[in-house]
Amino acid sequence: DGGITQSPKYLFRKEGQNVTLSCEQNLNHDAMYWYRQDPGQGLRLIYYSQIVNDFQKGDIAEGYSVSREKKESFPLTVTSAQKNPTAFYLCASSLTGTGGNQPQHFGDGTRLSIL
Amino acid sequence: AQKVTQVQTEISVVEKEDVTLDCVYETRDTTYYLFWYKQPPSGELVFLIRRNSFDEQNEISGRYSWNFQKSTSSFNFTISDSQFVDSAVYFCALSDRNPGAGSYQLTFGKGTKLSVIP
Repeated sequence: DGGITQSPKYLFRKEGQNVTLSCEQNLNHDAMYWYRQDPGQGLRLIYYSQIVNDFQKGDIAEGYSVSREKKESFPLTVTSAQKNPTAFYLCASSLTGTGGNQPQHFGDGTRLSIL
Repeated sequence: AQKVTQVQTEISVVEKEDVTLDCVYETRDTTYYLFWYKQPPSGELVFLIRRNSFDEQNEISGRYSWNFQKSTSSFNFTISDSQFVDSAVYFCALSDRNPGAGSYQLTFGKGTKLSVIP
C-alpha cells in the first residue's frame, strides 16, 4: 500500500543531543513537509520541499534542519539549538507543492520528548 | 487576526445527535482552497474534503456535509447521526498565497476536539 512512514513512533532526546526523525513516502509525490503540533495547537510548518535537492524554511525553522537527497525521503534533524523540542511531529507529502489545491497526506507522527 | 479560526475548541455530543464544527477564514487571495482533516487518537491526519474558492456548492458524503459560504468566509462541517468513531480532533485549513508571493501555503486552524458520548 502507498503511504508515508515515519519512524520512530516515540523518541527521547538528551540535553545537547541532535536527533533525526525519518520520513519516507512511496506515493511518488514531489512535495514533502514537516509540521510540529503542540497540545491544543494547530500544525505549524517547520520546513517544506517542493522538489529533490531543494527545501524552504517554514514558520518555525529555527533549531531544525532537513535534507532532500531522494524524492522518497525527507528526514528532519532536531538540533540542540531547539530548546523546547517536546512535541508531536508530523510529516506530509503532496503530489505537487505549487498548485495549492493538492491535499497533503500525513504519516502517523513521531512523539519527541526530553529525557 | 488568525487566518483560520475554528470557533469551538471542544464539543461533546451524545451519539446520534447532529453536530456542526465552525470554521472562519481570512484571505486576500481570489483563488484559494479550503480543507478539512480528521485526527483520530492514533495521531495521523486524514484528509476529508477540499473545496475551491470558486465553487460554493455544498457537498454531502454519507453522514458528513460541508457548507461553504464565501460571503461570510465560512466553511462549516456537519456530522449527522454522530457515532463514537467520529470522536477526534478536526482541523480546518486554508491554502492561499500571501500578497506578492507566488507559492501557496497551507495554514491550519487550532482544531476542534469532538467527543461523541455513547
